[in-house]
Amino acid sequence: NAGVTQTPKFRVLKTGQSMTLLCAQDMNHEYMYWYRQDPGMGLRLIHYSVGEGTTAKGEVPDGYNVSRLKKQNFLLGLESAAPSQTSVYFCASRTPRRGSSYNEQFFGPGTRLTVL
Amino acid sequence: RKEVEQDPGPFNVPEGATVAFNCTYSNSASQSFFWYRQDCRKEPKLLMSVYSSGNEDGRFTAQLNRASQYISLLIRDSKLSDSATYLCVVNGGGYNKLIFGAGTRLAVHP
Repeated sequence: NAGVTQTPKFRVLKTGQSMTLLCAQDMNHEYMYWYRQDPGMGLRLIHYSVGEGTTAKGEVPDGYNVSRLKKQNFLLGLESAAPSQTSVYFCASRTPRRGSSYNEQFFGPGTRLTVL
Repeated sequence: RKEVEQDPGPFNVPEGATVAFNCTYSNSASQSFFWYRQDCRKEPKLLMSVYSSGNEDGRFTAQLNRASQYISLLIRDSKLSDSATYLCVVNGGGYNKLIFGAGTRLAVHP
């Protein structure tokens, strides 16, 4: 099992450009999350999804959109990138079913995005 | 005020030392508590959940004080491989939305 994967690993954008970050998980998890991590700050939730076709806003959703067309994929889009969106982006997934990993969120390796 | 506050460190300790990290949280309604570990330029990984009665996993002991809204992590007999950033994490509402502290950096030296 690959777990949670993210593409791309690195990206440099110019202000105003758009891009999509892809998160994929092969653990059949219902819940998926997008976070950003900035120096000196904890991970902050951007958007999340509790199932295929559903999404919801997190703590810092402005400037981002998401889609969950398939259970295993969660896409994060930046329509018009700004320097303030320079960050490391992590995707995570979790199962709501009781079991040994009930409370654990599994993270992907991250995408390092720089917006010039 | 941040919802989850931690001392950023770094804590520089020799191998074999005992080190303790503390964390406070602001939402008294929080029900789940965790410590995650994050290596440099890597993703966070769950180290251990924190239970009301306190719990131990090998050299790691976690404790929770709900009255003071305080969580701790004790690492005994530190190893070089323990060098990492330790994230205090609290659930922030439904669907397991997690609130992360900024992390405490630990550096274990020979």
